Amino acid sequence: GAVVSQHPSWVICKSGTSVKIECRSLDFQATTMFWYRQFPKQSLMLMATSNEGSKATYEQGVEKDKFLINHASLTLSTLTVTSAHPEDSSFYICSAGPFSYEQYFGPGTRLTVT
Amino acid sequence: AQSVSQHNHHVILSEAASLELGCNYSYGGTVNLFWYVQYPGQHLQLLLKYFSGDPLVKGIKGFEAEFIKSKFSFNLRKPSVQWSDTAEYFCAVNGNNAGNMLTFGGGTRLMVKP
Repeated sequence: GAVVSQHPSWVICKSGTSVKIECRSLDFQATTMFWYRQFPKQSLMLMATSNEGSKATYEQGVEKDKFLINHASLTLSTLTVTSAHPEDSSFYICSAGPFSYEQYFGPGTRLTVT
Repeated sequence: AQSVSQHNHHVILSEAASLELGCNYSYGGTVNLFWYVQYPGQHLQLLLKYFSGDPLVKGIKGFEAEFIKSKFSFNLRKPSVQWSDTAEYFCAVNGNNAGNMLTFGGGTRLMVKP
């Protein structure tokens, strides 16, 4: 099946700094990628839809100036958490798919803000 | 807007017991339905999916799900669970007007006792 990778798998940063998370589709091209956030013992919440060559679409309640998304190519989307705070600590997961309606998930990135 | 509900938040079973996890969705149009599994410490994996055709869908590891359109349901079943099935299970829906966007249910945490 299709493979989606994320980097880094775990990052610890200090409050006030920015962190960039990468999501790559390894064996297919994706014009659309999705970013989710998962809190412990909870389901995935869609944060935004990343569109190659255009602006991302954010879900209601997600601050677009805080969670910057750049879909630079057909195989790479990045999520930058700007001026991170402890409440941003979470598990961030991306997904992409080579076919309509079928998504493959990355392994996730655990962000810890101290 | 599409929504998904999973009624069982935690399920504990003994090995060889039968499993059925409920999933109901709300959407007015045609839907694609998915079950994902997240094993401890691992990323989401697709168990099975329904796009069209036979409403009884067979997936990996002996799982199956039945789409009942009149009940807006897509319950997951397995005749005989194993300890290795201990995981969290997520139902997801994609409406035909939602692009590739998935909406997830709250998840069901399954524990299988050896």
